[in-house]
Amino acid sequence: ETGVTQTPRHLVMGMTNKKSLKCEQHLGHNAMYWYKQSAKKPLELMFVYNFKEQTENNSVPSRFSPECPNSSHLFLHLHTLQPEDSALYLCASSPAAGGFQETQYFGPGTRLLVL
Amino acid sequence: RKEVEQDPGPFNVPEGATVAFNCTYSNSASQSFFWYRQDCRKEPKLLMSVYSSGNEDGRFTAQLNRASQYISLLIRDSKLSDSATYLCVVTPMGNQFYFGTGTSLTVIP
Repeated sequence: ETGVTQTPRHLVMGMTNKKSLKCEQHLGHNAMYWYKQSAKKPLELMFVYNFKEQTENNSVPSRFSPECPNSSHLFLHLHTLQPEDSALYLCASSPAAGGFQETQYFGPGTRLLVL
Repeated sequence: RKEVEQDPGPFNVPEGATVAFNCTYSNSASQSFFWYRQDCRKEPKLLMSVYSSGNEDGRFTAQLNRASQYISLLIRDSKLSDSATYLCVVTPMGNQFYFGTGTSLTVIP
């Protein structure tokens, strides 16, 4: 149904673990985004990639490290996370970032629990 | 001040009712406006864009009031399937997207 896929869908990790979230879009878009959604809070934009170049980093801690090898794939590398990082991590894509009325298409998200 | 503010609700309305949500934004230079819908434990999905002239899609009508810096969503003849959280999204210049916390709607049989 969705043109944006994310894996894994659920992840439990300890604070000393290293893991990666993967996002892939099949829509031919040039912009990709990582969001964090915590309970009772609005979606928080973390990173934006436009034509594989990172254009936004919204003061995200360095324990989150994004990687965009091409316009179709986006990774979020995680290391030494904290329990408060537990949230739903959503990937989105759009034709190109910064345009007027850019519609974003979201993946199903990775529900992350940090113990 | 928050970039985008929404009444979280919940709004509980009977089937067939008309319900309206408002969303205010703080940046007067904001360029683009959207309503997204998010079902429980699902990703947000675009419901409709909001244009200066207002726009309608079936039972849904979106309006933009730049002078007062708010957007609205009107749902007529509510269906059970309209139950969801409705997210207001505002984009100022550049690559920033600001989401509201969402307004929860439950349509009751």
